[in-house]
Order: sequence, then structure tokens, then C-alpha cells
Amino acid sequence: DQQVKQNSPSLSVQEGRISILNCDYTNSMFDYFLWYKKYPAEGPTFLISISSIKDKNEDGRFTVFLNKSAKHLSLHIVPSQPGDSAVYFCAATPHGSSNTGKLIFGQGTTLQVKP
Amino acid sequence: ETGVTQSPTHLIKTRGQQVTLRCSSQSGHNTVSWYQQALGQGPQFIFQYYREEENGRGNFPPRFSGLQFPNYSSELNVNALELDDSALYLCASSIRRGAGDVYGYTFGSGTRLTVV
Repeated sequence: DQQVKQNSPSLSVQEGRISILNCDYTNSMFDYFLWYKKYPAEGPTFLISISSIKDKNEDGRFTVFLNKSAKHLSLHIVPSQPGDSAVYFCAATPHGSSNTGKLIFGQGTTLQVKP
Repeated sequence: ETGVTQSPTHLIKTRGQQVTLRCSSQSGHNTVSWYQQALGQGPQFIFQYYREEENGRGNFPPRFSGLQFPNYSSELNVNALELDDSALYLCASSIRRGAGDVYGYTFGSGTRLTVV
């Protein structure tokens, strides 16, 4: 029962272009979403998050879009840089008093940015 | 401000043995969670500790257990190791505000456990 899905295992883009990473979820109780980046031999590093009360959040080159009706979110990286090459994980959690702080992760998408 | 540190970084154990993994939380964080990441998969939630008590558990058997200490550091213990326990084990610390939300998830670099 995969509640968070990243259907593209890999993505390759040219330096300077836009990278778009996608994530779908099934649990309507999720109302807080996070993106993490992971390099080999390191733990996941927080990138950006979005609450369900918003449909867009920007931080520098990174923008996350949330479409609640479609249960879909995406991470846009503009412009892409070779240092962005890593595995990107989408994660979701329900906020509120019932939340145990449990993050539900997708399978990850490996992004390769070519110089 | 120190981040989340985990030890050891790598470990090889034999099937049936027991293992203890350790985690030091980021300064100011009062909650710790443990995740198992198998090869090619996303991290899977094992459990979370808050105020030295287990506070939420994923779909893992009782042979996975943990502790949280007064200084918010934590241990993950796995008994009767199986080959499928081979994975990267990640610790994440965060801030829990009362009975409400949890913020500031910060992950350590993980312990790579190999069971042979």
C-alpha cells in the first residue's frame, strides 16, 4: 500500500533547464508535504515544504506546487545545476494532534543534471 | 549547532545476532524517529520517541525496539537479525510542541547494516 508514489525512477536534464519532479499521494489526511534531497553516503537533506493551505511555495531555485484535488505535487528546479544531481524524495505527513511525526516517503527519483 | 549524528556508520552482523544503533539528536530537538531504507526504496518509518516513550510505530515487528534518553539521544535495537534487515537505518530528530505538530525533521547520515 504505497500512499506516496514517485512514478519516475529517474530524470535527466541539461544544465540551465528546468527539472520537474512529480509525486502523487492517496491519503486525504496528508496535509503537509516535504521534499528531501539525498546524496550517496549522506542522510536526506530537507529542501522545501508546503502546507495544504497553500498551492505554491518558493525558495530560491526551488518551487513546490500542490494540487489537492488531484492529490499531486511537483518540485520545480530552475535553473538546474550539476550539483543538483541526487535522489529526490517526496514525503507526506498529517499534521494535527493525531500526528505522530511519521513521514511517509515515496520511492525517490534520481535526477541527473548534465553539464 | 550540531546536527544529527549516528554511529556506527557501517556494521556487518550474522543472522540471528542482535544489534544496537545509536543516534544523537540535533541540539534543541526533543523527538527522534527511526527509518529503514532498503536499496532502491524510500525510508520506511519504524517508530518515534518523545519524552522517552514510544509515540507511534510503523509496520515493524517487536524485535525492533528503541530507547530515548534524557538528553534526547536514542538507540535502535534489533534482535534475531534476518537477512532482510540489511538496509540503511536513518535517525531523524525534530521538535514536538506539546500534543501538536512536529517540525524541523533533520536526518543523520545513517548506519549501513549488512546481515550475512
